[in-house]
Amino acid sequence: NAGVTQTPKFRVLKTGQSMTLLCAQDMNHEYMYWYRQDPGMGLRLIHYSVGEGTTAKGEVPDGYNVSRLKKQNFLLGLESAAPSQTSVYFCASRGTAKSETQYFGPGTRLLVL
Amino acid sequence: DQQVKQNSPSLSVQEGRISILNCDYTNSMFDYFLWYKKYPAEGPTFLISISSIKDKNEDGRFTVFLNKSAKHLSLHIVPSQPGDSAVYFCAASDTARQLTFGSGTQLTVLP
Repeated sequence: NAGVTQTPKFRVLKTGQSMTLLCAQDMNHEYMYWYRQDPGMGLRLIHYSVGEGTTAKGEVPDGYNVSRLKKQNFLLGLESAAPSQTSVYFCASRGTAKSETQYFGPGTRLLVL
Repeated sequence: DQQVKQNSPSLSVQEGRISILNCDYTNSMFDYFLWYKKYPAEGPTFLISISSIKDKNEDGRFTVFLNKSAKHLSLHIVPSQPGDSAVYFCAASDTARQLTFGSGTQLTVLP
């Protein structure tokens, strides 16, 4: 099992460009999450999904969109990147409503110039 | 307003000694707490957790203590090993099972 994988590992964007980050999990988990981590701060929730076809806003959703067309994939989109979106992005998944533990991917480092 | 706080950004401990990492929270609705460990350029990995109905949970060298009245939890690592050097995040879960993370503590175990 690969667990949670993220593509790409690193990306440099210019201000105003768009991109999509892909998260895939092979654990048949219902719940998926996108976080960002900035220096001196913990992980902050951007968006999440409680199942295929559903999405919801987290703590810091502005400037991002998400889609969960397939259960195993959760996409994070930046329509018009800004330097404030320079961060490390982590995807996580969780099995069921009763399970507590989230399992994380390796992260995507994004630099917006 | 930070609901989960790790007030020590860093901690250095000698190999073989005990490491104690602390975490405070403010939200009384948190009912489950987790510790994650993170190495550079990797994602956080789950380490140990505790339900609010317990005050202690132990797994090998790792023990988490919860003091609900003080809204405080701590992670004890005994004995500490150089491979334990990493950033440790405390996280709290609410009834919606959303995690709120602390800012992390960098643990360095000196050989």
